[in-house]
Amino acid sequence: QSVLTQPPSVSGAPGQRVTISCTGSSSNIGAGYDVHWYQQPPGTAPKLLISGNSFRPSGVPNRFSGSKSGTSASLAITGLQAEDEADYYCQSYDSSLSAWVFGGGTKLTVL
Amino acid sequence: QVQLQQSGPGLVKPSQTLSLTCAISGDSVSSNSAAWNWIRQSPSRGLEWLGRTYYRSKWYNDYAVSVKSRISINPDTSKNQFSLQLNSVTPEDTAVYYCAKGIRGWNGQNWFDPWGQGTLVTVSS
Repeated sequence: QSVLTQPPSVSGAPGQRVTISCTGSSSNIGAGYDVHWYQQPPGTAPKLLISGNSFRPSGVPNRFSGSKSGTSASLAITGLQAEDEADYYCQSYDSSLSAWVFGGGTKLTVL
Repeated sequence: QVQLQQSGPGLVKPSQTLSLTCAISGDSVSSNSAAWNWIRQSPSRGLEWLGRTYYRSKWYNDYAVSVKSRISINPDTSKNQFSLQLNSVTPEDTAVYYCAKGIRGWNGQNWFDPWGQGTLVTVSS
């Protein structure tokens, strides 16, 4: 069981908006540690999508956005495209484990 | 642009040592602003951070508690690479292993970018 909790799956039609939640606790997100997001298409390595809760690296479309509040964070994807089908993971730091931790991943299906 | 290229065997026998190497291009293993990490991914454990090595006037290591007694991550400055050794492996250690560069943000927070291509390591006799 992962330290950070994500929904196993979300889906949406092309052009729609979806959100993926990431819920932590007082030893990680709630303690003020940043949340970062990764995209992992099938058979590939994870790729950084959002750093520092809401910053998009160069090359990431502005259809992707991140936010954080309290012990949770969210990734929003607007204008869904077929190429967005992938697994998405959140990541933070946990002070009680002294380790970087990940969510269990959310599979996005574009209908 | 930083690139990480992994190498190492895909099959290891139980009780033996898993060894992987990650070659760095576009950056230095001795960088004072980066850390070099190993992360694994399996259906049962998801993404799991294993440990890191980094240089800040001297070499440091941090390891996950779950593998601390069995793991060693070492830099090789002559080849600009770093390695993972995991001892006494069991079938539970079967996973895709990734190396990744750890980046420290302005507020001290760390994220991973880029990642190596991944190596599926199966522990089986």
